[in-house]
Amino acid sequence: NAGVTQTPKFQVLKTGQSMTLQCAQDMNHNSMYWYRQDPGMGLRLIYYSASEGTTDKGEVPNGYNVSRLNKREFSLRLESAAPSQTSVYFCASSEVAFTGGGGYTFGSGTRLTVV
Amino acid sequence: GQQLNQSPQSMFIQEGEDVSMNCTSSSIFNTWLWYKQEPGEGPVLLIALYKAGELTSNGRLTAQFGITRKDSFLNISASIPSDVGIYFCAGQTSGTYKYIFGTGTRLKVLA
Repeated sequence: NAGVTQTPKFQVLKTGQSMTLQCAQDMNHNSMYWYRQDPGMGLRLIYYSASEGTTDKGEVPNGYNVSRLNKREFSLRLESAAPSQTSVYFCASSEVAFTGGGGYTFGSGTRLTVV
Repeated sequence: GQQLNQSPQSMFIQEGEDVSMNCTSSSIFNTWLWYKQEPGEGPVLLIALYKAGELTSNGRLTAQFGITRKDSFLNISASIPSDVGIYFCAGQTSGTYKYIFGTGTRLKVLA
């Protein structure tokens, strides 16, 4: 099925461990995003990639790095996980739109727990 | 930074009742979106609004783009158990593809 695929779905890390969250979309979208979702705080933008070859910081980039590997794939890396990074992470994609817009297509999320 | 206030935060309603929720911003938006998130899934787009005053329906859902461009409203008529979930608003300003998300309204429907 067309859409955004995230892996893994669940992960438990020990403090200080590193890991990479993978995201791939098959809709030929130009822009991709990483959000984290915490209780009572809605969705907060971590990093985004407006187009292949570019990445920019969002609201809460500290402790994360990203790679736009190609047009389809956008990965999020935690170099040294901290308990404050326990969250649900969502990848999303969209067509580039500076006016109007069609919204995002979201993946089903990665639930990360850092102990 | 920009903030979106979404209310109510949560609500319990009886099946068959109508539901209203809203989202207000400190900034003017050119686009308002409404999403629904079910447990264990990512948000799914319900309705998109592109013009002040616009009223758009999607089945039992109706959303409006406020005249001031700083607010939006979502109504669900004759709620059913599968309406359970978290409803998010999101706004987009001109010249950016970044959306600001509200904190969500958690809806629970009592059969």
